[in-house]
Amino acid sequence: AQTVTQSQPEMSVQEAETVTLSCTYDTSESDYYLFWYKQPPSRQMILVIRQEAYKQQNATENRFSVNFQKAAKSFSLKISDSQLGDAAMYFCAYSSRRGGADGLTFGKGTHLIIQP
Amino acid sequence: GAGVSQSPSNKVTEKGKDVELRCDPISGHTALYWYRQRLGQGLEFLIYFQGNSAPDKSGLPSDRFSAERTGESVSTLTIQRTQQEDSAVYLCASSLRQGVSYEQYFGPGTRLTVT
Repeated sequence: AQTVTQSQPEMSVQEAETVTLSCTYDTSESDYYLFWYKQPPSRQMILVIRQEAYKQQNATENRFSVNFQKAAKSFSLKISDSQLGDAAMYFCAYSSRRGGADGLTFGKGTHLIIQP
Repeated sequence: GAGVSQSPSNKVTEKGKDVELRCDPISGHTALYWYRQRLGQGLEFLIYFQGNSAPDKSGLPSDRFSAERTGESVSTLTIQRTQQEDSAVYLCASSLRQGVSYEQYFGPGTRLTVT
C-alpha cells in the first residue's frame, strides 16, 4: 500500500517570504500522480498543483512550484511571495495512474501560518 | 456553475443512531468519491462510484457503513448504529470521469459528531 508522509505539522512564514513544505511517499509503482491540496477553514479542498511521475519537469502554477525527486520519493511544495490568503492546511496526496479504485492517499497535512 | 454540495453541514447524533449524509456532485460528473477526515488527520478514502456502480467497497471502515448513488446524481453515505469513533468530517468529491487525470472537486463536507 502507498503511504504519504508530511513531517512538518506546522510551518510559519512572514508575508512575502518563501516557504517550502515537505512530502515523502512510498510506492512500488512507477507511474503515478502527486498532488498538493489546500484546505482553508471552510473545509473545502482545493487543488493547488499536480505532478505526473513520468514527467521530469517540475510543475509550476504561478507562485506555487514543486521539487519532484522521483528516486528519493520526495515531493515538496514551494510557495513564493507568501500572501495572507495562503494560510491553510496543506495536504500532499498520491494516486496510482489507474486512479479510481484507490482514490487519493493523503498525508496528515501541514498547517501553514502567514505572519503579517 | 454550482460546485459539489453536501448536506447537512453539521450533524450531531447520539451513539447508536443511524445517520444519512448526502452529496450532490457537479452536474455531468460521472465519478463520485467519499472520504473521511478525522480531527488532525488527512483524508481517508472510503468508496467511489462510477455512475451508480461501486466496484470496490473494501475501503468502508465497517459493515455499519454503506453508500449508494442514484444514476449519475446524488449519493448518500449511511452510517448505522453510530459510534463515537465515527466522529469526523465526511467529504465528497466528484470528477468528470473516473481516472486520476480528471481533477476531483470537493464539497465542503459534513461534520459528524457522535455523542
